[in-house]
Amino acid sequence: EIELTQSPGILSLSPGERATLSCRASQSVSSRSFAWYQQKPGQAPRLLIYAASTRATGIPDRFSGSGSGTDFTLTISRLEPEDFAVYYCQQYGSSFPYTFGQGTKLDIK
Amino acid sequence: QVQLVESGGGVVPPGRSLRLSCATSGFTFTSYSMHWVRQAPGKGLEWVAVISFDGNNKYFTDSVQGRFTISRDNSKRTLYLEMGSLTAEDTAVYYCARDQAPYGSNSEFVFWGQGAPVTVSS
Repeated sequence: EIELTQSPGILSLSPGERATLSCRASQSVSSRSFAWYQQKPGQAPRLLIYAASTRATGIPDRFSGSGSGTDFTLTISRLEPEDFAVYYCQQYGSSFPYTFGQGTKLDIK
Repeated sequence: QVQLVESGGGVVPPGRSLRLSCATSGFTFTSYSMHWVRQAPGKGLEWVAVISFDGNNKYFTDSVQGRFTISRDNSKRTLYLEMGSLTAEDTAVYYCARDQAPYGSNSEFVFWGQGAPVTVSS
C-alpha cells in the first residue's frame, strides 16, 4: 500500500497570500495517477487537480499542481475567502488500494 | 446533470449488517467503475471498495475485506455496499463516487454523492 503524507497539517494564511501544500508518497507514483481534492465542512470532496497538474472542469486557474515521483505540490496563487477548507491528495495507481493523504487544513489567519 | 444519491445509512448495533445504496442519473452507468469512500468523524478520507464498470472486478481495503460486499444493478443504475459484522471502527459517512474516465481506466473521482452517515453503536 502506498502511504501519502501531507504537510503541513494546518496552514494559517490570509486572503491574497500564496498557499503551498505538499504531499509525499512512500513509493513512486505515476503522475497520471495523482489528484488533489478540496473538502468544506458538511460537503463531499471536490476534485481540483488530476494527473498531478491538470485542473478539473470549472476550477479557477489560481489552483495549480506539480510534482512527480514521490513529491507533489498544490499551489493556490492568491487565496480567496472560499479557498479555506481541507485539502487531500490521492493516488490511484495501477493497483488497489487507492489511498488518500491525511489532509491539510487551510485556516484563515 | 450527473447525480449520485446515497441512502440506507443509520444507527446499527455492533455485529449487525447494513446495506447502502447509491442511485445514479445523468450518465451511462454501465460505462464507469464506481467506488465507496468513507470518512470517520473528524478524520480523513478512506477508500473502501471499487466495482468495475461491468461488475466483473471488485477490490476492497484490507479492513473490510471479507465483511463488505460491493455490487451494482445496471438495470436500476444503482450501486450497493453490503456491510457485515460491523464494528465501531466502521462508523463514518460513506460516499459513493464515480471515475472520471470510463471503462476501468485508473481514474480520479470526479462525481461524489452527498454521503450516507453510518453509526455503529449499541
